[in-house]
Amino acid sequence: AQTVTQSQPEMSVQEAETVTLSCTYDTSENNYYLFWYKQPPSRQMILVIRQEAYKQQNATENRFSVNFQKAAKSFSLKISDSQLGDTAMYFCAFMKLDMSGGGADGLTFGKGTHLIIQP
Amino acid sequence: KAGVTQTPRYLIKTRGQQVTLSCSPISGHRSVSWYQQTPGQGLQFLFEYFSETQRNKGNFPGRFSGRQFSNSRSEMNVSTLELGDSALYLCASSFRRTNTGELFFGEGSRLTVL
Repeated sequence: AQTVTQSQPEMSVQEAETVTLSCTYDTSENNYYLFWYKQPPSRQMILVIRQEAYKQQNATENRFSVNFQKAAKSFSLKISDSQLGDTAMYFCAFMKLDMSGGGADGLTFGKGTHLIIQP
Repeated sequence: KAGVTQTPRYLIKTRGQQVTLSCSPISGHRSVSWYQQTPGQGLQFLFEYFSETQRNKGNFPGRFSGRQFSNSRSEMNVSTLELGDSALYLCASSFRRTNTGELFFGEGSRLTVL
């Protein structure tokens, strides 16, 4: 079974600062995806960024980027120029792929990091 | 384009009762997954349906069941409710099976069991 660990229950930074959220995972699988999801106070989960394990290049989406270290099983999220709207719970998630290439066992989530952006 | 719609948004039940939650995916999406979110256990995968067939199932007792209709709408049912079933139940849809990873979540159904 896979496990995902987010060691920072809560973080608080000033607007416009850069913040990095940590995530480590444990798996014996070789084919998988990693994700960061954001859950604002309205509760609707939104995909922030996705990384395929076979890709060495780190994924980026505008102000969001990841540092994917496959050997270390680390997948951190960096938010640059943080904005008030970034305030939310952030969940790191893992999905393994089965032999047919389909998602197996759904997403395994970490416990989340509550990120607060201060004005 | 309408998002994922879950009904009801809030409900209160008592122990021993059963509950049915509904999820309407984004138009054209054929995969629906269900997750349970609690403060203690976090987010846990319940099951996934694709083309009316259950494709994956999480580690939950048989009291938790679901189904998917030909229009891709899905329902999940919890029978013989226990206090520990109090949770936010999230539904997520995607166009293909969830190997693409891009799931679109609804706002959830908040179940309180008294």
